[in-house]
Order: sequence, then structure tokens, then C-alpha cells
Amino acid sequence: DAKTTQPPSMDCAEGRAANLPCNHSTISGNEYVYWYRQIHSQGPQYIIHGLKNNETNEMASLIITEDRKSSTLILPHATLRDTAVYYCIALNTNAGKSTFGDGTTLTVKP
Amino acid sequence: DVKVTQSSRYLVKRTGEKVFLECVQDMDHENMFWYRQDPGLGLRLIYFSYDVKMKEKGDIPEGYSVSREKKERFSLILESASTNQTSMYLCASSLLTGLKSPLHFGNGTRLTVT
Repeated sequence: DAKTTQPPSMDCAEGRAANLPCNHSTISGNEYVYWYRQIHSQGPQYIIHGLKNNETNEMASLIITEDRKSSTLILPHATLRDTAVYYCIALNTNAGKSTFGDGTTLTVKP
Repeated sequence: DVKVTQSSRYLVKRTGEKVFLECVQDMDHENMFWYRQDPGLGLRLIYFSYDVKMKEKGDIPEGYSVSREKKERFSLILESASTNQTSMYLCASSLLTGLKSPLHFGNGTRLTVT
């Protein structure tokens, strides 16, 4: 599975869009990009995943560059409850073998 | 919504004790997983199971065993607890094996071994 690189921390103002970047420059053609988040003292929560097309669901949007070397998770209107650690993962095997690194700590400020 | 329930949020055990961590999911998922989470090390896969009575080792199985007698329940067993097994333990499940089946996690059990 490809290694991913994320900034260790980011801040965002409440009500603004939060754009969380992820670099996966060694991703191969059959690897999916998954995003999870972990709010303090809870288990990780699945957000969204994609292969090469942009994806949107009720939680977020995922933008994957055309060369697939990077992606951005967008929370369109961040709230204080979106403060969490966000993990970006690239997988070509069973999703259960996900490797969660240190992620990005997003702090949403009032 | 999928619910993955871990029996204890906090557990304190003594060195050498046998410890059972229980996990139950309510969505008839095929796959279940046990991870531990430690600062600076991320989540590491201990064991997983893709069917009743089936199990496979993850990345760090030493010192652990598992049991899956029923589809909805996956137990992690520490045969003889040691202080280096103090950690946050997370159970997860997924519907299918493969890339399009995300993980659903429980809220974790924070185990302290003294």
C-alpha cells in the first residue's frame, strides 16, 4: 500500500470550508484513497473513499488530482464538532489492513 | 447505522492475568478486526477474522489470541498480560473483504496493565 503524507496540524474557522491535503505520490492504479477521522476518545469514523473520480457524500467531498498523486478532503462548513484527527490512507488490499499513520489534527475555532 | 460495541471502555489488570476483550457488531458483517493504538505508532492490526471460526494474524499477533464462535462476536485474549500491552484496543468490522467496504470501529477499550 502506498505511503501517504499529511500535515501534522491545521486550523479552520467555524463555518468556513476545511481543506485537508494528502500526498500519495507512489499510489498505484488499483489503490483506493480512504479518509477516516478520530474524535478524541472515540474510534475512527469512516468519511469517504475514492479511486480516481471526485466523490461527495453527506459528510464531505473528496477531490483526487488527475495524476492521483494527491487528494483533498473538503468539509464544506466546518463546525466545532469536526475537530478531530483526520487520516488519509491508500489501499490496494483488504480495507481491514489499513495502516493509520499520525494523520492531521484539525482544530476548528469559533 | 452499524454499531460496534466493545464491552469495556476502561480496564485495569495485573501483570500475568488472562484478559478478555469483547466486541459485538450488529450488522451481520463478515469481517472483524482487532487493532491497538499507541501514540506515535498509529493503529496496528493484531488479528482479523473473515468468517466464523476463521482467523488470520495481523502485523503484531504475539502475546494475543482471538476467538470467533459467532458471526457477531470477536474476542481478543491476552494470555498473560504484560505492561507493554497497556494500550487502546479498537475493534472494527466490515461487510465484505475488499476495497469498497470501509471499516466501522467501536469506541475502544483503554487497557492498563500494572
